[in-house]
Amino acid sequence: GAGVSQSPSNKVTEKGKDVELRCDPISGHTALYWYRQRLGQGLEFLIYFQGNSAPDKSGLPSDRFSAERTGESVSTLTIQRTQQEDSAVYLCASSIRLADTDTQYFGPGTRLTVL
Amino acid sequence: GDSVTQMEGPVTLSEEAFLTINCTYTATGYPSLFWYVQYPGEGLQLLLKATKADDKGSNKGFEATYRKETTSFHLEKGSVQVSDSAVYFCALSDSGGNTGKLIFGQGTTLQVKP
Repeated sequence: GAGVSQSPSNKVTEKGKDVELRCDPISGHTALYWYRQRLGQGLEFLIYFQGNSAPDKSGLPSDRFSAERTGESVSTLTIQRTQQEDSAVYLCASSIRLADTDTQYFGPGTRLTVL
Repeated sequence: GDSVTQMEGPVTLSEEAFLTINCTYTATGYPSLFWYVQYPGEGLQLLLKATKADDKGSNKGFEATYRKETTSFHLEKGSVQVSDSAVYFCALSDSGGNTGKLIFGQGTTLQVKP
Protein backbone atom coordinates (compact mmCIF):
# COMPACT_ATOMS: atom_id res chain seq x y z
CA GLY A 1 0.00 0.00 0.00
CA ALA A 2 0.93 3.64 0.25
CA GLY A 3 3.84 4.83 2.33
CA VAL A 4 3.78 7.23 5.24
CA SER A 5 2.19 10.53 4.31
CA GLN A 6 2.43 13.88 6.06
CA SER A 7 0.57 17.13 5.67
CA PRO A 8 1.07 19.89 5.05
CA SER A 9 4.34 19.55 3.18
CA ASN A 10 5.21 23.16 3.98
CA LYS A 11 3.89 25.46 6.67
CA VAL A 12 4.82 29.08 7.19
CA THR A 13 3.44 30.68 10.33
CA GLU A 14 3.94 33.72 12.46
CA LYS A 15 5.58 33.58 15.84
CA GLY A 16 3.02 32.92 18.55
CA LYS A 17 0.56 31.02 16.37
CA ASP A 18 -0.41 27.39 16.91
CA VAL A 19 0.25 24.74 14.23
CA GLU A 20 -0.93 21.19 13.69
CA LEU A 21 1.09 18.67 11.72
CA ARG A 22 -0.48 15.45 10.52
CA CYS A 23 0.93 11.98 9.91
CA ASP A 24 -0.77 9.02 8.23
CA PRO A 25 1.25 5.87 8.91
CA ILE A 26 1.37 2.76 6.79
CA SER A 27 -1.77 0.71 7.35
CA GLY A 28 -1.22 -1.98 9.96
CA HIS A 29 1.80 -0.34 11.57
CA THR A 30 1.32 -0.22 15.30
CA ALA A 31 4.33 1.94 16.12
CA LEU A 32 4.62 5.59 15.12
CA TYR A 33 7.48 8.05 15.74
CA TRP A 34 8.00 11.79 15.40
CA TYR A 35 11.42 13.32 14.79
CA ARG A 36 12.67 16.83 14.14
CA GLN A 37 15.48 17.82 11.78
CA ARG A 38 16.88 21.28 12.17
CA LEU A 39 18.88 22.76 9.33
CA GLY A 40 22.28 21.05 9.00
CA GLN A 41 21.67 18.74 11.93
CA GLY A 42 20.75 15.13 12.49
CA LEU A 43 17.32 13.91 13.44
CA GLU A 44 16.15 14.51 16.97
CA PHE A 45 13.63 12.07 18.49
CA LEU A 46 10.46 13.67 19.85
CA ILE A 47 7.92 11.00 20.78
CA TYR A 48 6.69 7.54 19.92
CA PHE A 49 3.32 5.80 20.01
CA GLN A 50 2.46 2.16 20.58
CA GLY A 51 -1.10 2.09 19.31
CA ASN A 52 -2.59 5.29 20.70
CA SER A 53 -0.44 5.28 23.82
CA ALA A 54 2.64 7.48 24.22
CA PRO A 55 4.58 6.04 27.17
CA ASP A 56 7.51 8.46 26.99
CA LYS A 57 7.08 12.15 26.28
CA SER A 58 10.50 13.19 27.53
CA GLY A 59 11.78 13.93 24.01
CA LEU A 60 9.30 16.75 23.46
CA PRO A 61 11.31 20.03 23.60
CA SER A 62 8.85 21.94 25.77
CA ASP A 63 5.29 21.87 27.06
CA ARG A 64 4.26 23.80 23.95
CA PHE A 65 4.58 20.52 22.07
CA SER A 66 1.96 17.80 22.27
CA ALA A 67 0.98 14.82 20.17
CA GLU A 68 -1.88 12.39 19.92
CA ARG A 69 -2.81 9.37 17.88
CA THR A 70 -6.17 7.91 17.02
CA GLY A 71 -6.03 4.15 17.46
CA GLU A 72 -3.38 2.79 15.11
CA SER A 73 -4.03 5.49 12.58
CA VAL A 74 -3.48 9.20 12.17
CA SER A 75 -1.25 11.17 14.51
CA THR A 76 -1.09 14.92 14.99
CA LEU A 77 1.77 16.92 16.44
CA THR A 78 0.67 20.27 17.80
CA ILE A 79 2.97 23.16 18.56
CA GLN A 80 1.42 25.99 20.53
CA ARG A 81 2.70 29.57 20.56
CA THR A 82 5.36 28.79 17.96
CA GLN A 83 8.82 30.26 18.32
CA GLN A 84 11.48 30.81 15.66
CA GLU A 85 13.58 27.98 17.10
CA ASP A 86 10.73 25.61 16.22
CA SER A 87 11.58 26.06 12.53
CA ALA A 88 12.63 22.63 11.25
CA VAL A 89 11.50 19.66 9.18
CA TYR A 90 9.23 17.43 11.22
CA LEU A 91 9.40 13.79 10.19
CA CYS A 92 7.03 10.98 11.01
CA ALA A 93 7.90 7.29 10.76
CA SER A 94 6.02 4.07 11.34
CA SER A 95 6.98 0.44 11.84
CA ILE A 96 5.07 -2.79 12.07
CA ARG A 97 5.75 -3.11 15.77
CA LEU A 98 7.61 -1.37 18.54
CA ALA A 99 10.97 -3.12 18.38
CA ASP A 100 14.59 -2.10 18.14
CA THR A 101 15.22 -4.37 15.17
CA ASP A 102 12.31 -3.23 13.02
CA THR A 103 12.69 -0.89 10.08
CA GLN A 104 11.08 2.51 10.36
CA TYR A 105 9.49 3.95 7.23
CA PHE A 106 9.66 7.70 7.02
CA GLY A 107 7.28 10.20 5.53
CA PRO A 108 8.42 13.13 3.36
CA GLY A 109 8.25 15.55 6.28
CA THR A 110 6.61 18.88 7.00
CA ARG A 111 8.87 21.89 6.66
CA LEU A 112 7.85 24.41 9.31
CA THR A 113 9.02 28.00 9.08
CA VAL A 114 8.22 30.36 11.93
CA LEU A 115 8.63 34.02 10.99
CA GLY B 1 22.97 8.40 27.07
CA ASP B 2 23.46 6.61 23.79
CA SER B 3 25.01 8.59 20.95
CA VAL B 4 26.29 8.33 17.36
CA THR B 5 29.23 10.13 15.80
CA GLN B 6 29.72 10.32 12.05
CA MET B 7 32.57 11.68 10.02
CA GLU B 8 31.89 15.20 8.90
CA GLY B 9 31.23 15.95 5.29
CA PRO B 10 30.88 16.85 2.64
CA VAL B 11 32.66 13.97 0.98
CA THR B 12 33.41 14.47 -2.70
CA LEU B 13 34.49 11.52 -4.82
CA SER B 14 34.91 10.70 -8.46
CA GLU B 15 32.75 8.01 -10.00
CA GLU B 16 34.04 4.46 -9.33
CA ALA B 17 36.03 5.56 -6.29
CA PHE B 18 35.95 3.61 -3.03
CA LEU B 19 33.73 5.04 -0.29
CA THR B 20 34.06 4.85 3.46
CA ILE B 21 31.89 6.86 5.84
CA ASN B 22 32.92 6.35 9.44
CA CYS B 23 30.38 5.86 12.21
CA THR B 24 31.05 5.12 15.86
CA TYR B 25 28.60 4.82 18.70
CA THR B 26 28.28 4.72 22.46
CA ALA B 27 25.57 2.61 24.03
CA THR B 28 24.95 1.04 27.40
CA GLY B 29 23.18 -1.99 25.94
CA TYR B 30 23.13 -3.87 22.65
CA PRO B 31 21.49 -1.65 20.06
CA SER B 32 20.62 -2.39 16.47
CA LEU B 33 22.54 -0.25 13.97
CA PHE B 34 21.23 1.37 10.81
CA TRP B 35 22.27 3.42 7.83
CA TYR B 36 19.57 5.65 6.37
CA VAL B 37 19.93 7.63 3.14
CA GLN B 38 18.22 10.80 1.97
CA TYR B 39 18.44 11.38 -1.77
CA PRO B 40 17.91 14.95 -3.04
CA GLY B 41 14.24 15.88 -2.84
CA GLU B 42 13.26 12.55 -1.31
CA GLY B 43 12.41 11.23 2.15
CA LEU B 44 14.64 9.27 4.45
CA GLN B 45 14.88 5.58 3.63
CA LEU B 46 16.62 2.60 5.16
CA LEU B 47 19.79 1.57 3.34
CA LEU B 48 20.90 -1.33 5.54
CA LYS B 49 20.91 -2.56 9.10
CA ALA B 50 22.58 -5.00 11.50
CA THR B 51 20.95 -6.22 14.68
CA LYS B 52 23.80 -7.93 16.51
CA ALA B 53 27.56 -7.97 16.77
CA ASP B 54 29.50 -9.21 13.72
CA ASP B 55 26.40 -8.99 11.51
CA LYS B 56 26.97 -7.43 8.10
CA GLY B 57 24.23 -5.39 6.51
CA SER B 58 24.30 -4.92 2.75
CA ASN B 59 22.19 -3.32 0.04
CA LYS B 60 22.77 -1.71 -3.37
CA GLY B 61 26.50 -2.47 -3.18
CA PHE B 62 26.84 -0.80 0.22
CA GLU B 63 27.84 -2.76 3.29
CA ALA B 64 28.58 -2.19 6.96
CA THR B 65 29.68 -4.56 9.72
CA TYR B 66 28.58 -4.25 13.34
CA ARG B 67 31.87 -4.16 15.29
CA LYS B 68 31.21 -4.35 19.00
CA GLU B 69 34.90 -4.31 19.93
CA THR B 70 35.47 -0.97 18.21
CA THR B 71 31.84 0.28 18.61
CA SER B 72 31.76 1.07 14.90
CA PHE B 73 29.48 0.60 11.90
CA HIS B 74 31.39 2.09 8.99
CA LEU B 75 29.64 2.31 5.61
CA GLU B 76 31.58 1.14 2.55
CA LYS B 77 31.05 0.82 -1.16
CA GLY B 78 33.62 -0.39 -3.62
CA SER B 79 32.66 1.77 -6.59
CA VAL B 80 30.38 4.75 -6.17
CA GLN B 81 28.09 6.16 -8.86
CA VAL B 82 26.76 9.65 -9.44
CA SER B 83 23.36 8.35 -8.34
CA ASP B 84 24.79 7.63 -4.87
CA SER B 85 25.00 11.36 -4.18
CA ALA B 86 22.90 11.85 -1.06
CA VAL B 87 23.03 12.47 2.68
CA TYR B 88 23.82 9.37 4.74
CA PHE B 89 22.77 9.00 8.37
CA CYS B 90 24.08 6.44 10.82
CA ALA B 91 21.64 5.56 13.60
CA LEU B 92 21.19 3.22 16.52
CA SER B 93 18.14 2.00 18.32
CA ASP B 94 18.09 3.31 21.86
CA SER B 95 19.22 0.44 24.07
CA GLY B 96 17.16 1.69 26.98
CA GLY B 97 14.15 -0.52 26.46
CA ASN B 98 13.13 -1.86 23.03
CA THR B 99 11.12 1.23 22.10
CA GLY B 100 12.48 1.46 18.57
CA LYS B 101 13.54 5.03 19.25
CA LEU B 102 16.38 5.92 16.86
CA ILE B 103 19.35 8.10 17.71
CA PHE B 104 20.94 9.61 14.62
CA GLY B 105 24.33 10.97 13.73
CA GLN B 106 24.65 14.38 12.12
CA GLY B 107 24.61 13.05 8.58
CA THR B 108 27.33 12.98 5.92
CA THR B 109 26.78 14.52 2.51
CA LEU B 110 28.27 12.54 -0.36
CA GLN B 111 28.77 14.12 -3.75
CA VAL B 112 29.94 11.90 -6.59
CA LYS B 113 31.28 13.61 -9.70
CA PRO B 114 31.29 12.00 -13.14
